[in-house]
Amino acid sequence: GAVVSQHPSRVICKSGTSVKIECRSLDFQATTMFWYRQFPKQSLMLMATSNEGSKATYEQGVEKDKFLINHASLTLSTLTVTSAHPEDSSFYICSASTLAGSTDTQYFGPGTRLTVL
Amino acid sequence: AQTVTQSQPEMSVQEAETVTLSCTYDTSESDYYLFWYKQPPSRQMILVIRQEAYKQQNATENRFSVNFQKAAKSFSLKISDSQLGDAAMYFCAYHRGGADGLTFGKGTHLIIQP
Repeated sequence: GAVVSQHPSRVICKSGTSVKIECRSLDFQATTMFWYRQFPKQSLMLMATSNEGSKATYEQGVEKDKFLINHASLTLSTLTVTSAHPEDSSFYICSASTLAGSTDTQYFGPGTRLTVL
Repeated sequence: AQTVTQSQPEMSVQEAETVTLSCTYDTSESDYYLFWYKQPPSRQMILVIRQEAYKQQNATENRFSVNFQKAAKSFSLKISDSQLGDAAMYFCAYHRGGADGLTFGKGTHLIIQP
């Protein structure tokens, strides 16, 4: 099946620094990628949807200037948490879809655990 | 906005027995998709089963089956012959279709007693 990777799997950073998380579709081209956040013992919450070559669409309440998303190619999307603070500590998960509108093909990455000190 | 409700924070079942996890949702759409995902301690999301709303037949995948009641907006997951490896968080998810993301319920922690 299709494989989605994320890098890094874990990152610890100091408050005020920026952190970049990569999401790659390894064996397929992803026209749409999604970013979710999961706090401990909670569910996944959709943060934003990105389509290759266009601006990301953010969910209500998600600061687009804080969570920068770039989907520059059909196999790579990046999430940059700018000026990270302890409250940004969370588990970030991406998923990728091969065709816009295709429900059969949304695959999840293994997630990235971000800890901001 | 769509909402997904899982009313069972935790369920426990004896190994080899059957367990049913509940899920209800709210939507004004007529066509949509429903999923059950499993999240083990590794936190990798694993698709267990999916259901298209336009299909009347309930989906089945080996030991996993659903009871989809469209009018009642209910989508329960039945796990037969429970195995120790089934222990995980189970999330019910709704997808409107198109390039939308998934809306997840809060999850049910399934414990398998040996």
